[in-house]
Amino acid sequence: GAVVSQHPSWVICKSGTSVKIECRSLDFQATTMFWYRQFPKQSLMLMATSNEGSKATYEQGVEKDKFLINHASLTLSTLTVTSAHPEDSSFYICSASIAVKETQYFGPGTRLLVL
Amino acid sequence: GQSLEQPSEVTAVEGAIVQINCTYQTSGFYGLSWYQQHDGGAPTFLSYNALDGLEETGRFSSFLSRSDSYGYLLLQELQMKDSASYFCAVNNQGGKLIFGQGTELSVKP
Repeated sequence: GAVVSQHPSWVICKSGTSVKIECRSLDFQATTMFWYRQFPKQSLMLMATSNEGSKATYEQGVEKDKFLINHASLTLSTLTVTSAHPEDSSFYICSASIAVKETQYFGPGTRLLVL
Repeated sequence: GQSLEQPSEVTAVEGAIVQINCTYQTSGFYGLSWYQQHDGGAPTFLSYNALDGLEETGRFSSFLSRSDSYGYLLLQELQMKDSASYFCAVNNQGGKLIFGQGTELSVKP
């Protein structure tokens, strides 16, 4: 149980375009989903916390207008990287939990390469 | 501020025991989690300590001392497949996870 999927697993796009990444909890309802970014050989950095039906809470330094997060249902959250630039190239990982303070289960991640 | 300290790399041989330490400074502490991440993969949950003491799950054990702001992950009977990065993470208020920088474990034959 507790499986989280992400789609796509890999995306290459041109600078200036927008990219949408989906995160789904497959066998449980996730009241809270989290979005992380990880650069090579570095740790996971929390970008934002997303609660179903409400606005996401962004961490300090993360541009909310650039990284749009939608959590429309208890099984789906999306992250849209708008007007992507090469410096946005990274490994984006989502996680989901059944309730706040419960164990987070991670998706397989999405590698974004912006040319 | 919030910070976690763990060794950047550890090397051990197959069959050995290795301990990865983690010290933390944070507010709103609820517990300490450990995650394993293989190259190119996503983090996999290993264990969680909310209270002081030792939690054992198969070959892996995790320990927490809240008074010392310290925890460790103990890996026994090391196997080659255990070569990976190991992250400690503080469970914070709002259910957030604040990750350490990770420890790269290399298991040699």
